[in-house]
Amino acid sequence: NAGVTQTPKFQVLKTGQSMTLQCAQDMNHEYMSWYRQDPGMGLRLIHYSVGAGITDQGEVPNGYNVSRSTTEDFPLRLLSAAPSQTSVYFCASSYPGTGELFFGEGSRLTVL
Amino acid sequence: AQRVTQPEKLLSVFKGAPVELKCNYSYSGSPELFWYVQYSRQRLQLLLRHISRESIKGFTADLNKGETSFHLKKPFAQEEDSAMYYCALERGAQKLVFGQGTRLTINP
Repeated sequence: NAGVTQTPKFQVLKTGQSMTLQCAQDMNHEYMSWYRQDPGMGLRLIHYSVGAGITDQGEVPNGYNVSRSTTEDFPLRLLSAAPSQTSVYFCASSYPGTGELFFGEGSRLTVL
Repeated sequence: AQRVTQPEKLLSVFKGAPVELKCNYSYSGSPELFWYVQYSRQRLQLLLRHISRESIKGFTADLNKGETSFHLKKPFAQEEDSAMYYCALERGAQKLVFGQGTRLTINP
């Protein structure tokens, strides 16, 4: 049981480049979400999904896209990277009603 | 607006001393509150939730609706408690609002 798997762990981009952060979970969780972690700001919700085919915006969605074609996968796309998107990104999954999120190891992104 | 505030970025105590990590929240309804912990080189994980009223690793947290607080406490700190601690509020559909985090260091 791998839990929540994120790739890549590290990435450096130039301003304007696009990329996709991958997230997969093998726990059959309905809910999945993406957070970014910045110093002094805690974790902030970017996008979330309550099931395959259903996504919605969180607190800081601008510059990011998501899709949920399967229960297992929830990729996060950066459309045109900006230095303000330099951050550590966490994917999480959970069963509804529990409040317990299972997190991936994080992906550290640097945009130059 | 829902908000979680952890006033201390850093907290340092000696082994065996009591620990209290502060958390205040603003929420208009009945809050669901959690403490998450991230140990060095480990994933962020749930420590405890207010609704279960349990003690995990010697930590407890009591919801005080009058003071809108959910402070995390442990009577005797241990070195393995050193970690980053986040207080979080659920605003429906498993969407969490996190505080800024407190880095706890336990000195030997």
